[in-house]
Amino acid sequence: QVQLQESGPGLMKPSETLSLTCTVSGGSISSYYWNWIRQPAGKDLEWIGRIYSNGNTNYNPSLNSRVTMSVDTSKNQFSLKLTSVTAADTAVYFCAREMGGPNWVFDHWGQGTLVTVSS
Amino acid sequence: DIQMTQSPSSVSTSVGDRVTITCRASQGISSWLAWYQQKPGKAPKLLIYAASSLQSGVPSRFSGSGSGTDFTLTISNLQPEDFATYYCQQANSFPFTFGPGTKVDIK
Repeated sequence: QVQLQESGPGLMKPSETLSLTCTVSGGSISSYYWNWIRQPAGKDLEWIGRIYSNGNTNYNPSLNSRVTMSVDTSKNQFSLKLTSVTAADTAVYFCAREMGGPNWVFDHWGQGTLVTVSS
Repeated sequence: DIQMTQSPSSVSTSVGDRVTITCRASQGISSWLAWYQQKPGKAPKLLIYAASSLQSGVPSRFSGSGSGTDFTLTISNLQPEDFATYYCQQANSFPFTFGPGTKVDIK
């Protein structure tokens, strides 16, 4: 059974760069799209972007200028960098796998990691 | 971006009841719609994809229908473990977007 686990800092200061890593176990990272999704407390889910195992990316235009994703197939990991964070970036960040094929939906999720931006 | 709306925003119901949740897209998305269940402090769980396909392991009391702009999720014979928040997601075009959620709680 595929499992995903996010890791990264829980507390950050405004203007810093958020770096999160998602480690995939129980399956290969190859041949799938891997996504980042966030959810501010009590608010809607927001798709941040995705990366394929070959490094191809798609980002949400609302965050495009601040987001970079990367993948390390040797470690079965993929990562998110979000620059110039503000309090508005405070949220639970989830990593998730796309189902594959034509279905751009998320069939496996990490447990989520809370990132708080505060001075 | 495609905007997703859901109704109702919350519903109070009882074990054994039937619940129907509606999701509407701001433009046509064919059948590229998914439904998720989320419990407090947990990640969303995929229930339905392609509007009406049941994800493996999901009980058959969950069903989805619709195409174009209007979709429904129906939960028949509601069980105690079904009290949660339900989200729809359009999988038609970038950026992927989610509805605001429908909370199903106990009457």
